[in-house]
Amino acid sequence: GAVVSQHPSRVICKSGTSVKIECRSLDFQATTMFWYRQFPKKSLMLMATSNEGSKATYEQGVEKDKFLINHASLTLSTLTVTSAHPEDSSFYICSAILAHRSQETQYFGPGTRLLVL
Amino acid sequence: GQQLNQSPQSMFIQEGEDVSMNCTSSSIFNTWLWYKQEPGEGPVLLIALYKAGELTSNGRLTAQFGITRKDSFLNISASIPSDVGIYFCAGQIQGSYKLIFGSGTRLLVRP
Repeated sequence: GAVVSQHPSRVICKSGTSVKIECRSLDFQATTMFWYRQFPKKSLMLMATSNEGSKATYEQGVEKDKFLINHASLTLSTLTVTSAHPEDSSFYICSAILAHRSQETQYFGPGTRLLVL
Repeated sequence: GQQLNQSPQSMFIQEGEDVSMNCTSSSIFNTWLWYKQEPGEGPVLLIALYKAGELTSNGRLTAQFGITRKDSFLNISASIPSDVGIYFCAGQIQGSYKLIFGSGTRLLVRP
């Protein structure tokens, strides 16, 4: 299957600092990537759709100035949590679309655990 | 908006037993996907279904895309301890890359 990586796998930061999370498709190109947030024992919540070469599309209720997304290449999307606060602590997961013979399948990264102190 | 009802919420079974879980929706989906997530990890794709009525197997796992396109089930045969995890169904509507996720089924297997 397709491989998606995330870096870092976990990060602890002080309140007020910014944190950047990288999402890479390792063996395929992805014009579309997604960023999710997951709370303990809950399902995945879509935050935004990351489009290569254009602005990200944010879901309702997600602050675009808080969660900056950049998709500068076909294999890399980044999510920057700006001025992080303890309530931003969560598990952030990215996914990338692999398109093959008109079938699109989402493959997920391993996730990034963010803890804001 | 679209919602997926996934059941059961959790299952605690004996090793060797078969498991069945399903998802239903009021909306029609173009694609059904089943993922497994283990603690601290991202979801891993198990089976992808692209056509109504499609029945697909992956080892001990079998999943079907309902003929109405509003439901799907996942069966696990002869469960083993490493099957432990949370299983999510996800549906994709035509014309959108977005996935709608079920609430997950937590599976525990007793050796």
